[in-house]
Amino acid sequence: GIQVEQSPPDLILQEGANSTLRCNFSDSVNNLQWFHQNPWGQLINLFYIPSGTKQNGRLSATTVATERYSLLYISSSQTTDSGVYFCAVGTGRRALTFGSGTRLQVQP
Amino acid sequence: GAGVSQSPSNKVTEKGKDVELRCDPISGHTALYWYRQSLGQGLEFLIYFQGNSAPDKSGLPSDRFSAERTGGSVSTLTIQRTQQEDSAVYLCASSGRIDYNSPLHFGNGTRLTVT
Repeated sequence: GIQVEQSPPDLILQEGANSTLRCNFSDSVNNLQWFHQNPWGQLINLFYIPSGTKQNGRLSATTVATERYSLLYISSSQTTDSGVYFCAVGTGRRALTFGSGTRLQVQP
Repeated sequence: GAGVSQSPSNKVTEKGKDVELRCDPISGHTALYWYRQSLGQGLEFLIYFQGNSAPDKSGLPSDRFSAERTGGSVSTLTIQRTQQEDSAVYLCASSGRIDYNSPLHFGNGTRLTVT
């Protein structure tokens, strides 16, 4: 099956800093989504982004499907951004395969 | 409903007992997914439904696990003869049709502890 690798596995930031999270995948996909799991375990869908660039407030994401990677940018980080960020990819009628996540801690 | 609803939120059971976990998807969502997440780990796919049929059951770890969906809405995941390694958070998600590649929305999960 498709392989999904996320980097870095862990990231510690000071409040106000910017960061870039990366997701590499092993095969062509037509479905790519980013999720944030907060410290209470809730999973929130951030972006549906199989290609191109999207922005939502301080977050933006870019997927370059031909090169099999996606990037999630967090600007002016806040303590509420802490948690785990997951990239998930899929093809056709297959369910999404999740990466192992990037654990982000934003310190005040 | 407004979001994906799962019940119970927590379940403690003795090894060897059967458990049923329930998922009520967002109204109108035809695709429904079950994943599980062990402590500190990523999400492991179990099964998905398109309507009432399950085109992909490849993630079910053993024949002790089964799931059904009725009326294109509520789904139940059943684990028979639970084992300690079944302890995890079981997450349900729903979306529009799977081949429309619409965003997944997750419930808050059921935390299962097998003692």
